[in-house]
Amino acid sequence: NAGVTQTPKFQVLKTGQSMTLQCAQDMNHEYMSWYRQDPGMGLRLIHYSVGAGITDQGEVPNGYNVSRSTTEDFPLRLLSAAPSQTSVYFCASSYGPPNTEAFFGQGTRLTVV
Amino acid sequence: KQEVTQIPAALSVPEGENLVLNCSFTDSAIYNLQWFRQDPGKGLTSLLLIQSSQREQTSGRLNASLDKSSGRSTLYIAASQPGDSATYLCAVDNTDKLIFGTGTRLQVFP
Repeated sequence: NAGVTQTPKFQVLKTGQSMTLQCAQDMNHEYMSWYRQDPGMGLRLIHYSVGAGITDQGEVPNGYNVSRSTTEDFPLRLLSAAPSQTSVYFCASSYGPPNTEAFFGQGTRLTVV
Repeated sequence: KQEVTQIPAALSVPEGENLVLNCSFTDSAIYNLQWFRQDPGKGLTSLLLIQSSQREQTSGRLNASLDKSSGRSTLYIAASQPGDSATYLCAVDNTDKLIFGTGTRLQVFP
């Protein structure tokens, strides 16, 4: 009963480094999305996908790339990490309409120094 | 642009009280509304989902209502317990993405 699995749970990067945050779900959900959570700003959408091969930008996409080659996986790539990307990142998934109840992973806490 | 506001930002109450958390949104053209709970350092747990055609949903001591025309939802917690202490988030759903409020941080003390 894994649900939405994110790895790693914690990561420290140096400015300019790149990395990929992994997200996998085993519920056969079509819809997947990435959010970042910052104090006082709530959760903000970075990128989302409504199915394999389809991605779109959210509210704060700059500095991030995504791809969706399979239904199960939706990795988030930081191209050149900046201190402003220090945040907690959450991946979510849902079936899509009419059942759009979202399920979240446990988060990745990223610090960029 | 959809904006979601939650009031109050923080709430501290003694055990046993009945609580009302408020969520308001600016664009009534929503698909559904979802309430989540977040414990410190943890992910989000779905509590209740209200479809746009529904007025309310209930789960145990929790009841959520939705008034789309006025852009409001409330989460009612009956007989609060210390284990209810957490941050409660509401999110409106436009079918492909969620727009979140900044949450209400609830502390229930014995």
